[in-house]
Amino acid sequence: QTVVIQEPSLTVSPGGTVTLTCASSTGAVTSGYFPNWFQQRPGLAPRALIYSTRHRYSWTPARFSGSLLGGKAALTLSGVQPEDEAEYYCLLYYGGAVVFGGGTKLTVL
Amino acid sequence: QITLKESGPTLVKPTQTLTLTCTFSGFSLSTSGVAVGWIRQPPGKALEWLALIYWNDDERYSPSLQSRLTVTKVTSKNQVVLTMTNMDPVDTATYFCAHRHEAWLFDVWGQGTLVTVSS
Repeated sequence: QTVVIQEPSLTVSPGGTVTLTCASSTGAVTSGYFPNWFQQRPGLAPRALIYSTRHRYSWTPARFSGSLLGGKAALTLSGVQPEDEAEYYCLLYYGGAVVFGGGTKLTVL
Repeated sequence: QITLKESGPTLVKPTQTLTLTCTFSGFSLSTSGVAVGWIRQPPGKALEWLALIYWNDDERYSPSLQSRLTVTKVTSKNQVVLTMTNMDPVDTATYFCAHRHEAWLFDVWGQGTLVTVSS
C-alpha cells in the first residue's frame, strides 16, 4: 500500500514564508509522479493550486510555488496571507493510480 | 466554464450498494485526454481517491477498494456513475467528483455529497 506523507501541521506568521512537503513511501518523488497541490478550507471542496510539480492554474496566486526538494514535492507560500489558513493536500500519480497525502493543516498566527 | 455536481442518497444501510451520479457541463467525456474522477473524504479526515474513467472507456480504481467499485459513463447525458457495493459505516464520507484533462488532474471539483452509512 503506497503512502504519501505530509507534515500534519505547520504554523506561519502573516507575511512569512513556509514550505510544505510531500514524500512517497516508494522513494524519491520525481516529476514523473506529476505532483499536484490542493487547498481546502473548512466545509468547502478542495481547490486545485499546482499541477505537474510547479505549474500554477490561472486562479492560483503567485505567492504559491511548487518544486522538488530533497526527494520530495514541495509547496512554498511566500508572503502568507490570513486567508491561506487551510488544509493542504498533495497528490501523486503512480502510473494510473492516484494517491493523496494525509494533508497539512496550515495555521497563520 | 466547467461544473460538476454529485447526486445520490444521503443515507444508506450497511451491506447496501451506493449509487452516485456526477452530472457535468462545460466539457465532453468523448474528448481525448478527458476523465472524471471520484474522491471521498470521511468527516475530519483526508481525501481518498476512488476511481477514474477516461474518454476512451479506460477505468482505474483504488487498489484497496477495487473489488467494490464500478464507474461508468453516460456520454450522451454528461454523467458518470459510481457504484460501491457492501457499504459499511466506515464508508461514511463526502463524495466528490472532479475533472481531469491531461496534466490538469482534478482541476475542477463538484461541491460534494455527504453519504452516511447507518442502520
